[in-house]
Amino acid sequence: KAGVTQTPRYLIKTRGQQVTLSCSPISGHRSVSWYQQTPGQGLQFLFEYFSETQRNKGNFPGRFSGRQFSNSRSEMNVSTLELGDSALYLCASSSETGAGGYTFGSGTRLTVV
Amino acid sequence: QQQVKQSPQSLIVQKGGISIINCAYENTAFDYFPWYQQFPGKGPALLIAIRPDVSEKKEGRFTISFNKSAKQFSLHIMDSQPGDSATYFCAASGNAGNMLTFGGGTRLMVKP
Repeated sequence: KAGVTQTPRYLIKTRGQQVTLSCSPISGHRSVSWYQQTPGQGLQFLFEYFSETQRNKGNFPGRFSGRQFSNSRSEMNVSTLELGDSALYLCASSSETGAGGYTFGSGTRLTVV
Repeated sequence: QQQVKQSPQSLIVQKGGISIINCAYENTAFDYFPWYQQFPGKGPALLIAIRPDVSEKKEGRFTISFNKSAKQFSLHIMDSQPGDSATYFCAASGNAGNMLTFGGGTRLMVKP
């Protein structure tokens, strides 16, 4: 069974640009969440999608957005990139509608220069 | 209210020893407490999880102890091995949905 696939693995962008990250969940999983991981702030929740609807959103500015497609694949977008957006962005999927049971991907390492 | 505090930040244990990592939470609505293990270059992997209706859960060398009244839970790694060297995160979630609140992480090094 394939795991959670995130593309690309590495990305370098310039301040002010925008970026789109992609996540393919485990087959059959309908819930997809995104997290930002930095050395200073640790793992922070960005948002969660279930059946193409955003169910929860973390405390991030509106520059961070996401969506989920009918096949459960998800994308997140960051506009007007700032240096502080440099982080590992992790996607996690779950087959449950409740809490827990998440499988994480290996992440996309975004560097903003 | 959403914080999960984890200690210690780093831990060095001899091979065969017991590694103990502690977490404390504030939000009494939390009802699911997982522990994740993360190796460099990888995403966190679910290690073991517990719900507040039990005080202890054991899976192999890994044990979660849960104290609901103190709002604390801990991970014990028995017979620690060099391959256990990784960063460990506790987390919590509740009826707000699939949002995990993570602790700050503990970098464990097991010396041979």
